[in-house]
Amino acid sequence: DAMVIQNPRYQVTQFGKPVTLSCSQTLNHNVMYWYQQKSSQAPKLLFHYYDKDFNNEADTPDNFQSRRPNTSFCFLDIRSPGLGDAAMYLCATSSDPDQPQHFGDGTRLSIL
Amino acid sequence: SQQGEEDPQALSIQEGENATMNCSYKTSINNLQWYRQNSGRGLVHLILIRSNEREKHSGRLRVTLDTSKKSSSLLITASRAADTASYFCATSKGGSRLTFGEGTQLTVNP
Repeated sequence: DAMVIQNPRYQVTQFGKPVTLSCSQTLNHNVMYWYQQKSSQAPKLLFHYYDKDFNNEADTPDNFQSRRPNTSFCFLDIRSPGLGDAAMYLCATSSDPDQPQHFGDGTRLSIL
Repeated sequence: SQQGEEDPQALSIQEGENATMNCSYKTSINNLQWYRQNSGRGLVHLILIRSNEREKHSGRLRVTLDTSKKSSSLLITASRAADTASYFCATSKGGSRLTFGEGTQLTVNP
């Protein structure tokens, strides 16, 4: 089945140690999104790619970076994770803006 | 800033009953979408309603949109234990960005 796959499902890292989360899709969608979701809260958009064009949200910390080397893959890099970055990170795709988004099952990040 | 607000924050019902969740938003929209999220999982798209539509159905789901009141409702009929999840509305003003509401936690008791 076509889908959005996030690896790993659970990631533990140390305070200040860089970490990379990955997302792949078989839907061939143009748009890929990264969201941060904390417990019992709404997903918060960090940034998205429309094809190769990167769009950062104004309130996304500089600590968060992203790469999209090709249509299928997108990475979230957290350069120096702090305790406040512990959250579920969700990747999503859509064929076009205004179309429904397809989500992966997320990576739950813990910071020691 | 969050566009949508959902009401109630939590809803607990018995299997077989209907569940209604409401969403209000602040600015004009192109469309409004509803998503479900089971615990520890990603969001699943349920239904999209465009600003020129007033009602849409999908199986046991019924969504209404009132653009004059800037509000939408999601009705789940004949609820099942498997419907237990968080439900989020999300608005699109055009472009790539969705703004999510805070969600309603629905519990359906067997």
